[in-house]
Amino acid sequence: AQTVTQSQPEMSVQEAETVTLSCTYDTSESDYYLFWYKQPPSRQMILVIRQEAYKQQNATENRFSVNFQKAAKSFSLKISDSQLGDAAMYFCAYLAGFEGGSEKLVFGKGTKLTVNP
Amino acid sequence: NAGVTQTPKFQVLKTGQSMTLQCAQDMNHEYMSWYRQDPGMGLRLIHYSVGAGITDQGEVPNGYNVSRSTTEDFPLRLLSAAPSQTSVYFCASSYDRPMNTEAFFGQGTRLTVV
Repeated sequence: AQTVTQSQPEMSVQEAETVTLSCTYDTSESDYYLFWYKQPPSRQMILVIRQEAYKQQNATENRFSVNFQKAAKSFSLKISDSQLGDAAMYFCAYLAGFEGGSEKLVFGKGTKLTVNP
Repeated sequence: NAGVTQTPKFQVLKTGQSMTLQCAQDMNHEYMSWYRQDPGMGLRLIHYSVGAGITDQGEVPNGYNVSRSTTEDFPLRLLSAAPSQTSVYFCASSYDRPMNTEAFFGQGTRLTVV
């Protein structure tokens, strides 16, 4: 079974600085998708960034970028120039079952990010 | 557009009671799913549907039923509520399979079973 591990339950960063959130996953599939979702206190889940495994280039969305290491099964999220609004729970997710036609998102347990002014 | 709408936002049930959590989306999305979120556990998939009339089990389906009679609605039924079902429930939808498009989430239903 596919699993997603976020080893940092909590992280903190100073405003305007950079922070990296870690994520590792376990899979036997060769083609799959990875995601980072943000959940602010409002509980709304918001897609931050998505990476296709067949793409070697790391995905980037404004201040958010990933370091995707397929061989190591690692998918970390880097937030540059951190802002107070970035404070939230961040979930790493893996799209399982892509090759079998029954796709399901598998989530990690989350990392709570605090941004200090 | 309203997006994904979940009702109710909060609910307290007694053990053994049944209820239905409602989920509706107005984006004509084919793919819909239900998750539960527990402290320290992340989100776990309960049931999902790839289109009207088609449903399948996720990781934690026991104690829950779903049906998908229309594209817009995907209700989640608790047959006989148990304290272990105390959780926050999220409904999500996407236009196509999740790898192609973003999944849109509702704002959640906080359920307490006493």
